[in-house]
Amino acid sequence: NAGVTQTPKFQVLKTGQSMTLQCAQDMNHEYMSWYRQDPGMGLRLIHYSVGAGITDQGEVPNGYNVSRSTTEDFPLRLLSAAPSQTSVYFCASSYLGTGVGEQYFGPGTRLTVT
Amino acid sequence: GESVGLHLPTLSVQEGDNSIINCAYSNSASDYFIWYKQESGKGPQFIIDIRSNMDKRQGQRVTVLLNKTVKHLSLQIAATQPGDSAVYFCAEGEYGNKLVFGAGTILRVKS
Repeated sequence: NAGVTQTPKFQVLKTGQSMTLQCAQDMNHEYMSWYRQDPGMGLRLIHYSVGAGITDQGEVPNGYNVSRSTTEDFPLRLLSAAPSQTSVYFCASSYLGTGVGEQYFGPGTRLTVT
Repeated sequence: GESVGLHLPTLSVQEGDNSIINCAYSNSASDYFIWYKQESGKGPQFIIDIRSNMDKRQGQRVTVLLNKTVKHLSLQIAATQPGDSAVYFCAEGEYGNKLVFGAGTILRVKS
């Protein structure tokens, strides 16, 4: 299994540009999520999904969109990039079961918005 | 790797000693608690979890203690090794709901 994969690893955007961060998992996990991690802070949940066709907002959803058309893929779209979105973005997946504690994380995408 | 954790609390321990990393949580309704380890330049990695109806759980070289009275969680690492150097995060969650992560603690192991 490849686990959770994310592309690209690094990205530089200009303010106002849009882009999509890709995330895929091959473990047939129902739950997928996107987090951002800023220096000196923990992970903050952006959006999550409990299955294909179902998405919901996390703590910091503004400026981001997601969709879940398949179990495997969960792309994150930045609509109009802002410097405040400079961060490291992690995608994670897990079985639902009785909780979503044991999440498997991808390697991250480091995004810089100038 | 990325410079996460610039202002995080740091615990420095000698190789071979035991480490104790502490975490205060906020939601008394949380059903489970988890510890993650994040090495420089990598995504977080699950270490161990504990359900709210337990007060102790042991894994390989790690023990998690839960004190619901004071909303406190700790991770004990026995015989700390250089490979244990990382940022450690606690997280809490309710069944059917999302996880909330703490800010993290840096563990530095001195050889």
